Amino acid sequence: AQKVTQAQTEISVVEKEDVTLDCVYETRDTTYYLFWYKQPPSGELVFLIRRNSFDEQNEISGRYSWNFQKSTSSFNFTITASQVVDSAVYFCALSEDKGGAQKLVFGQGTRLTINP
Amino acid sequence: GAGVSQSPSNKVTEKGKDVELRCDPISGHTALYWYRQRLGQGLEFLIYFQGNSAPDKSGLPSDRFSAERTGESVSTLTIQRTQQEDSAVYLCASSISGGLSYEQYFGPGTRLTVT
Repeated sequence: AQKVTQAQTEISVVEKEDVTLDCVYETRDTTYYLFWYKQPPSGELVFLIRRNSFDEQNEISGRYSWNFQKSTSSFNFTITASQVVDSAVYFCALSEDKGGAQKLVFGQGTRLTINP
Repeated sequence: GAGVSQSPSNKVTEKGKDVELRCDPISGHTALYWYRQRLGQGLEFLIYFQGNSAPDKSGLPSDRFSAERTGESVSTLTIQRTQQEDSAVYLCASSISGGLSYEQYFGPGTRLTVT
């Protein structure tokens, strides 16, 4: 069965610090997709990134970067020079490619608080 | 706006009553998903609609839960004889099509409280 584990329930840092959110996943399939979503206080989930299981290249988007390592089944997310606006709950999710619905399996989420 | 909308934003109901939650997907999106988010938890998949195909109901937790969607338009999630454990935020998402290549766009959710 698929499972996503975000071991860090809450993280609190001071603005401008770098912070890494951990994500470990379990799946038996060789083809799957991994996602990160941000949920600000407003509640609406915001898509951040999608990565397929055949693409282990790390990705950088501005202050955000993602490290995908199949050997450790991890897909970690780093925010560099954090800002107060980064405060939110962040979810890692997994979906298998079954040719049908994109049924996402979410982790429990990590609540990130950036203090000024 | 052009995003996914949901109504009501908040719903308080008494145990045993039925509730209906509504989702308006983004126009042109053929795929629609319902998720449940319990307090402090991640999202749980409930049901998936793709065009006029039979829905994937594999995530519905009990037969008290049902959902409908006519074509590629509005969807309603109905919970009958509500229980306190049904209290959660119910989120709807839509995408251009099913499959993993398409991003899901989420609505703001309906917060359901069963007293």
